[in-house]
Amino acid sequence: EPEVTQTPSHQVTQMGQEVILRCVPISNHLYFYWYRQILGQKVEFLVSFYNNEISEKSEIFDDQFSVERPDGSNFTLKIRSTKLEDSAMYFCASSPGFSKHYEQYFGPGTRLTVT
Amino acid sequence: QKEVEQDPGPLSVPEGAIVSLNCTYSNSAFQYFMWYRQYSRKGPELLMYTYSSGNKEDGRFTAQVDKSSKYISLFIRDSQPSDSATYLCATQKSSSNTGKLIFGQGTTLQVKP
Repeated sequence: EPEVTQTPSHQVTQMGQEVILRCVPISNHLYFYWYRQILGQKVEFLVSFYNNEISEKSEIFDDQFSVERPDGSNFTLKIRSTKLEDSAMYFCASSPGFSKHYEQYFGPGTRLTVT
Repeated sequence: QKEVEQDPGPLSVPEGAIVSLNCTYSNSAFQYFMWYRQYSRKGPELLMYTYSSGNKEDGRFTAQVDKSSKYISLFIRDSQPSDSATYLCATQKSSSNTGKLIFGQGTTLQVKP
């Protein structure tokens, strides 16, 4: 069964460093998302991406964040200058298309630890 | 008022019990309702989705939406220890062309053998 994959599973970085989290969405899916989950808190929407453009971004997704689909398979989230409060699980998700936004499939997540 | 509220539990039941998990939401614009299962330190796994009001059944799982009371339920019949996980409800506006999901806090379920 196709699945969303994410690398690395765990990333430790120092405050102020740049990190890139990588995702390979399900191959025939058209919409891609990033969510994050701070330990013990809700899963929060960060950004949605379609046709090489951001469709919507949350208040959390400020200028320190960017997303990119550098090729036909990868989808990345970059945090330019990490802060301690960026420590969280970051989940990538994908969905088949506009009419199936509700059908989102999540990857296993990348645990980001900022020290 | 929070958009989606869910009792975090934990909820502990014996194997074989019927489990009822619930959420409430505040915005009547929400039309799609999803249930995800999340094992510890793993990604959310889509269990079921429903549109508007009504019931949907899939094996031992039944999702129920009551839009008049803004209440979402997930029932698990004949619960198994492998059902032990955190269950997340999520909603989405029908007008959303961006796919943003709004999640509840999640309810932790433990099924004891």
